[in-house]
Amino acid sequence: GAGVSQSPSNKVTEKGKDVELRCDPISGHTALYWYRQSLGQGLEFLIYFQGNSAPDKSGLPSDRFSAERTGGSVSTLTIQRTQQEDSAVYLCASSPLSGNGYTFGSGTRLTVV
Amino acid sequence: DQQVKQNSPSLSVQEGRISILNCDYTNSMFDYFLWYKKYPAEGPTFLISISSIKDKNEDGRFTVFLNKSAKHLSLHIVPSQPGDSAVYFCAAKGGRDFNKFYFGSGTKLNVKP
Repeated sequence: GAGVSQSPSNKVTEKGKDVELRCDPISGHTALYWYRQSLGQGLEFLIYFQGNSAPDKSGLPSDRFSAERTGGSVSTLTIQRTQQEDSAVYLCASSPLSGNGYTFGSGTRLTVV
Repeated sequence: DQQVKQNSPSLSVQEGRISILNCDYTNSMFDYFLWYKKYPAEGPTFLISISSIKDKNEDGRFTVFLNKSAKHLSLHIVPSQPGDSAVYFCAAKGGRDFNKFYFGSGTKLNVKP
């Protein structure tokens, strides 16, 4: 597609439920990143995929968070047993192999009630 | 430990005047820097970049200055326009995590007509 597409744009879930957030990167971009922005905070790195290499998961805040990238394209971020502190805007970005900048999607606003 | 810091959460400027947004970083291995602009309910969009081999990069009304010895960069917007009102994030990368950008917490710029 022309840009990075994220779905859903908004998600309200009850505490304890699992959620899945989806990201469709720009076609041909080999790198895919997940960040989140909590209220009043900066962009917090979560996870990074580059081609077929093992993902950099160093930013995942707990083992309730996981992500997959199927076929080197679409990625799903899964949060299990959601907590209120998981409420944030989750942003996905992609870049080409030699890219010096990301293209971000519009984000998914997650609210845990 | 935040490696990129934006110490001013907000800035208000009169239309036509100069806006100066500041950013400090701690990692001396950072060698590439970006500024992103973010409107509400949208993802961040790339604004301007600078590599460590330069101390200034200009693009129209936007100029980024880099002071490597002080580990400081700034974004100047001249003249400021009401449409520039947004949140501005600085980001940096380099060293071992050469493909991962670290973001500041953002500065909300308000340009008053």
